[in-house]
Amino acid sequence: KAGVTQTPRYLIKTRGQQVTLSCSPISGHRSVSWYQQTPGQGLQFLFEYFSETQRNKGNFPGRFSGRQFSNSRSEMNVSTLELGDSALYLCASSLLGGRDTGELFFGEGSRLTVL
Amino acid sequence: QQQVKQSPQSLIVQKGGISIINCAYENTAFDYFPWYQQFPGKGPALLIAIRPDVSEKKEGRFTISFNKSAKQFSLHIMDSQPGDSATYFCAAVPGAQKLVFGQGTRLTINP
Repeated sequence: KAGVTQTPRYLIKTRGQQVTLSCSPISGHRSVSWYQQTPGQGLQFLFEYFSETQRNKGNFPGRFSGRQFSNSRSEMNVSTLELGDSALYLCASSLLGGRDTGELFFGEGSRLTVL
Repeated sequence: QQQVKQSPQSLIVQKGGISIINCAYENTAFDYFPWYQQFPGKGPALLIAIRPDVSEKKEGRFTISFNKSAKQFSLHIMDSQPGDSATYFCAAVPGAQKLVFGQGTRLTINP
């Protein structure tokens, strides 16, 4: 069974640009969550999508947005990039958002560097 | 806002020693307490999990201890090995809400 696939794995952008990250969940998983990971802040929750609907949203500015498609694939977009957006962005898929067993299946992440 | 507080932030243990990571949660009804392990360059992966009606769960060298009255739970790694060097996250599942993660502990096992 294929795992969670995130693309691109690495990318470099400059301030003011925008970026789109993609996540393909495990087949059959309808929940996709996005996290931002930085060395000093741990895993910061961005948002969760379930069956194309945003179910939860973290405390991030409106520059961070996401969506989910009918095949459960998800994208997140960050507009007007700032230096502080440099981070590892992790996508996690699950059947029910981890509410049943506490298990999320994470991808390897997209490492964004903003110059 | 529901929180899970994890300590220490970093931990160095000699090979063969016991690694202990602690987490405390606030006054709310959590249904599940998973621990995640993350190696450099990889995403976190579920290591072991416990329900609040169980005081201890052991899987190989990894043990979760749960103290409901103190609202605390901990991960013990017995006979720690260099391959256990990773970042560990505790988490809690608050009913129908999303998982809440602790801040993470970077564990280094010295050979």
